Amino acid sequence: AQSVTQLDSQVPVFEEAPVELRCNYSSSVSVYLFWYVQYPNQGLQLLLKYLSGSTLVESINGFEAEFNKSQTSFHLRKPSVHISDTAEYFCAVSDQGGNKLVFGAGTILRVKS
Amino acid sequence: DAGVTQSPTHLIKTRGQQVTLRCSPKSGHDTVSWYQQALGQGPQFIFQYYEEEERQRGNFPDRFSGHQFPNYSSELNVNALLLGDSALYLCASSGGQARVTDTQYFGPGTRLTVL
Repeated sequence: AQSVTQLDSQVPVFEEAPVELRCNYSSSVSVYLFWYVQYPNQGLQLLLKYLSGSTLVESINGFEAEFNKSQTSFHLRKPSVHISDTAEYFCAVSDQGGNKLVFGAGTILRVKS
Repeated sequence: DAGVTQSPTHLIKTRGQQVTLRCSPKSGHDTVSWYQQALGQGPQFIFQYYEEEERQRGNFPDRFSGHQFPNYSSELNVNALLLGDSALYLCASSGGQARVTDTQYFGPGTRLTVL
């Protein structure tokens, strides 16, 4: 079975500052990794995913995450955040033979002006 | 193109009652998954339907059951409601024949409150 730990429940940051949202997973088999974002009063949206290949994956709005197998981590980073990035971010994992997502508890990113 | 839709938006029930939640997947999608998101927690997988069959189930009791119709829409039924069933219920659809590598699109959810 897989599990996901998001180490920070809330991350406050000023606009244009860099941010890192931490995610560690536990699994005895190979996994796929995902980051989802939930804006206020909206449904979950896929931000980016790692399936195979390059360990660094990027989203269209400037976020990136790096798969680190030795540290079982998939931290999400952005070099300069905007007010509009304020949302809750969920890290999720799935084993490569399965078809369900296991989510972390979420990290609320609060961007302040 | 309409995304994933869920009904109703909000629902209030009392303990012991039964509830049915509905989900219409994104156009062209054939797989529907249901998740329960309790307050302050991440979504938890309930089950997934593909080709009108339950393909995988999470750690939920038999009080939780579902159905998928030929048009790929789905229902989640919960019997003998408990206070602990209060949560946001999310439906997600994907078009990859239940493959997890295909992006799951989530609906806005149904907020269930059990009194």
